[in-house]
Amino acid sequence: DAMVIQNPRYQVTQFGKPVTLSCSQTLNHNVMYWYQQKSSQAPKLLFHYYDKDFNNEADTPDNFQSRRPNTSFCFLDIRSPGLGDAAMYLCATSRDTGDTQYFGPGTRLTVL
Amino acid sequence: GNSVTQMEGPVTLSEEAFLTINCTYTATGYPSLFWYVQYPGEGLQLLLKATKADDKGSNKGFEATYRKETTSFHLEKGSVQVSDSAVYFCALGGLNFGNEKLTFGTGTRLTIIP
Repeated sequence: DAMVIQNPRYQVTQFGKPVTLSCSQTLNHNVMYWYQQKSSQAPKLLFHYYDKDFNNEADTPDNFQSRRPNTSFCFLDIRSPGLGDAAMYLCATSRDTGDTQYFGPGTRLTVL
Repeated sequence: GNSVTQMEGPVTLSEEAFLTINCTYTATGYPSLFWYVQYPGEGLQLLLKATKADDKGSNKGFEATYRKETTSFHLEKGSVQVSDSAVYFCALGGLNFGNEKLTFGTGTRLTIIP
């Protein structure tokens, strides 16, 4: 089945230690998104790629970066995780801008 | 700006009860409307959607009708099951090519007791 895959499902890192989360898709969608979801809150969009074009949200901290080396893969890099960055990180894709978004299962990040 | 207001939870119902989760929106233009469901420890799954006024989205016994006159997209199910226990998010999107952000409501936690 075509799908959005996130690895790992659970990630533990230490305060200040860089961490990378991975997302891949078999849907061949043009757009890939990264969301942060804290406990009992709605997902918050960090940034998205339309093909190779990167679009950052105005309030996304510089500590968060992303790479999209090809259509299928997109990475979220957290350069120096703080305790406040502990959250579920959700990847989503859509065929085109404004189309329905399909989400992966998420990666739960713990910062010690 | 665009916004979504959802019924506050948590909501607790008995199995086979009728469910309504209210959702109203404010938007410039004509958005698409979505309901997403999030089971414990999982990502969001698209439950249903509607792209224009008077459209009805339906899936797994859930329904929601896009009401432009009341700017609403209430989620309903006639007979809930324990397996429906989850958090439900109403969202709007599809506005303004070049602004692809989905605007979510705060989510409603639903618990169904046997």
